[in-house]
Amino acid sequence: NAGVTQTPKFQVLKTGQSMTLQCAQDMNHNSMYWYRQDPGMGLRLIYYSASEGTTDKGEVPNGYNVSRLNKREFSLRLESAAPSQTSVYFCASTRPDNHLEETQYFGPGTRLLVL
Amino acid sequence: LAKTTQPISMDSYEGQEVNITCSHNNIATNDYITWYQQFPSQGPRFIIQGYKTKVTNEVASLFIPADRKSSTLSLPRVSLSDTAVYYCLVGDVGTTDSWGKLQFGAGTQVVVTP
Repeated sequence: NAGVTQTPKFQVLKTGQSMTLQCAQDMNHNSMYWYRQDPGMGLRLIYYSASEGTTDKGEVPNGYNVSRLNKREFSLRLESAAPSQTSVYFCASTRPDNHLEETQYFGPGTRLLVL
Repeated sequence: LAKTTQPISMDSYEGQEVNITCSHNNIATNDYITWYQQFPSQGPRFIIQGYKTKVTNEVASLFIPADRKSSTLSLPRVSLSDTAVYYCLVGDVGTTDSWGKLQFGAGTQVVVTP
């Protein structure tokens, strides 16, 4: 199993450009999450999805949109990138129906620089 | 949501035991204590989770006193590869919403030197 994969690994954007960050998991997890991590700080939740076709806002959703394409894939879109969105973005997945055995798995991250 | 407090940094030598204590005075009845490890340029990795008393796995031990207002992550005989940031998160983990509500603070930077 590859676990949680993210593409691209790095991206440089100009202010106002758009892009989509891709995330996929092969663990048959129902729940998927997008976080951002700024330097020296912990992760903050942007959006999450409990199942295919459902999405909900997290702590910092402004400036982002998401799509839960199917059970495996959860994408994050920046419609008009701003320098404040320079960050490292992590995707995660879990199956929360049995917390005694399941854990939350994170992808390797996408490093985004907005000029 | 339970607020957590943990040291900003800890230094250790190889072979020593490292204990990181996390305070969570307003932990709720349904809350679990979850610890993650994050290496530079990587996503966080789940280490251990517990509700009360002691939990041990191949990586670490988690000690939780009866009042559950604090917890201690114990890393036995650390090596250089244990240098990482360690996060203590407290919250319910039974639903998608609840996992999403777990808040990462700044964590504890553990530096292991030879």
